[in-house]
Amino acid sequence: LAKTTQPISMDSYEGQEVNITCSHNNIATNDYITWYQQFPSQGPRFIIQGYKTKVTNEVASLFIPADRKSSTLSLPRVSLSDTAVYYCLVGVGSSNTGKLIFGQGTTLQVKP
Amino acid sequence: GAVVSQHPSWVICKSGTSVKIECRSLDFQATTMFWYRQFPKQSLMLMATSNEGSKATYEQGVEKDKFLINHASLTLSTLTVTSAHPEDSSFYICSAVNSGGYTEAFFGQGTRLTVV
Repeated sequence: LAKTTQPISMDSYEGQEVNITCSHNNIATNDYITWYQQFPSQGPRFIIQGYKTKVTNEVASLFIPADRKSSTLSLPRVSLSDTAVYYCLVGVGSSNTGKLIFGQGTTLQVKP
Repeated sequence: GAVVSQHPSWVICKSGTSVKIECRSLDFQATTMFWYRQFPKQSLMLMATSNEGSKATYEQGVEKDKFLINHASLTLSTLTVTSAHPEDSSFYICSAVNSGGYTEAFFGQGTRLTVV
């Protein structure tokens, strides 16, 4: 499974857009990129998943360049409740068993 | 979305006793479930892959005789921490994928184990 590298921590203010970039230089051809959010003492929660280009849902956007060696999670207009750890994971999509290896994640602190 | 439920949410046990944690997929079948452990301010560490109807696959360094995993049905996997010691105190999390087609892994809410 491809290794991922993210910033350990980021600070932001309420109402700002936050972009968290993840490097995955060894991503395989059939790997998908998935982002999870985790609050203290809770299990990770799925945010978004993509394979290439751009994916958008009601909570975030995911930008993936053509070489797929990195991806950027974009959170529009963050609020205090978005303070959490964000994990970028790379794994095989449709044929995957669901095995996910977590990196250190990015701790996002949103300030008032 | 799909729901994975863990029970109990927290448990305190005495050193030397065993504790069982349940992981259930409530609205889908899961041939495969995963167990993770998370220490404070650290990331999730994969412990083992739970396979329905067969033996679990453990990650390197995880003692299979200490962390017993049973996946007897398509909606239930259990993790038993045997002869628990204070160093086993941690946050245990399970995940499951839909056997009908993988799109994402769904995580339980976690179980806080404290061994005293």
